[in-house]
Amino acid sequence: AQSVTQPDIHITVSEGASLELRCNYSYGATPYLFWYVQSPGQGLQLLLKYFSGDTLVQGIKGFEAEFKRSQSSFNLRKPSVHWSDAAEYFCAVGAVGNTPLVFGKGTRLSVIA
Amino acid sequence: GAGVSQTPSNKVTEKGKYVELRCDPISGHTALYWYRQSLGQGPEFLIYFQGTGAADDSGLPNDRFFAVRPEGSVSTLKIQRTERGDSAVYLCASSLGGQGFDEQFFGPGTRLTVL
Repeated sequence: AQSVTQPDIHITVSEGASLELRCNYSYGATPYLFWYVQSPGQGLQLLLKYFSGDTLVQGIKGFEAEFKRSQSSFNLRKPSVHWSDAAEYFCAVGAVGNTPLVFGKGTRLSVIA
Repeated sequence: GAGVSQTPSNKVTEKGKYVELRCDPISGHTALYWYRQSLGQGPEFLIYFQGTGAADDSGLPNDRFFAVRPEGSVSTLKIQRTERGDSAVYLCASSLGGQGFDEQFFGPGTRLTVL
């Protein structure tokens, strides 16, 4: 069965500092991997996705993520965090055939001045 | 174009009551998903439709939960005899539903509170 682990429940970073959110997945085949962001009272917005090919994927809002098969990881990074990045971030895994996504429990990002 | 919409945005009900939550997917999307997000958790899958039929309902927690999509567009999630543990945000998503993997677009959710 697929599973996703986000080890960090809450992270606080200073505005302008770099960010890395961790995600580890468990899946028997090549996974489809996603990062979503959820602001308070808002729906989930897709930041980026990995299906195949280049293991470093670029997303919206200056985010990127790197797929590392050997570590079963798909960590999200941003070189310089903005106050507006404060939100909940979810990593998710899916499979071919439009199967439902399996989400991690999320990491809440706080940004301080 | 219009995204996925869900109504109502908030629903407060009493324990034991029946509720219906509605999802309007993006036009042309054949796949529709319901997820439930409890406080402090990630979304958890409930049921997935491909067209009018439920392709996978393995996430429904018990027989109090039921969902329909009679014409292959709008879907309704129905909860009978609500319990306090049903309180959560119910998210709907839709996708093109092709043979590969299509991005799921999420609605803003319905926050259900069972008193």
